[in-house]
Amino acid sequence: KQEVTQIPAALSVPEGENLVLNCSFTDSAIYNLQWFRQDPGKGLTSLLLIQSSQREQTSGRLNASLDKSSGRSTLYIAASQPGDSATYLCASGTYKYIFGTGTRLKVLA
Amino acid sequence: GAVVSQHPSRVICKSGTSVKIECRSLDFQATTMFWYRQFPKQSLMLMATSNEGSKATYEQGVEKDKFLINHASLTLSTLTVTSAHPEDSSFYICSATRDRAYEQYFGPGTRLTVT
Repeated sequence: KQEVTQIPAALSVPEGENLVLNCSFTDSAIYNLQWFRQDPGKGLTSLLLIQSSQREQTSGRLNASLDKSSGRSTLYIAASQPGDSATYLCASGTYKYIFGTGTRLKVLA
Repeated sequence: GAVVSQHPSRVICKSGTSVKIECRSLDFQATTMFWYRQFPKQSLMLMATSNEGSKATYEQGVEKDKFLINHASLTLSTLTVTSAHPEDSSFYICSATRDRAYEQYFGPGTRLTVT
């Protein structure tokens, strides 16, 4: 059974720092690995999708990598801003997603 | 493209009543739709997978008689919470996919409060 873990559970950084969020999964037979952000009381905003044949995806200040052999994905956020404060979730799976436990990020002005 | 809507966004109901939540794919045909629930400060938990025209597949521990799922068309799936109780209060989110290998597109969620 797929299990997805995210480290750290919470993170507080000063504005401008580069940071890395980690996502680990136990079953490497996945189709996709997707990163989301969720603001308090809101739904999910899709950030990046990495298909199983890909190693990384980039969008603006965000870069996500995928290493299926080690069961890991990382989300890199460059030059963090207070507006980046949210919970970040990764999800992986075959045709159905298993979500990670989330990382609550707070970027201090 | 790939927009998924949910209705209602918020609903309050009394204990013992039933509540229906709709999930629609607005600009694509969804072969598969998924229903998740999220308790406060927790992650999303998959409840069930529904394919158009067939019975939903429920995850272990989810009561299929309590959470009725209907996927009547390629653009609409409904979740009915029957005989709701306060412990059913949660954030319910649906997603839809064109193909099993494609990414999932998520709806904005429905916050259910049972009093």
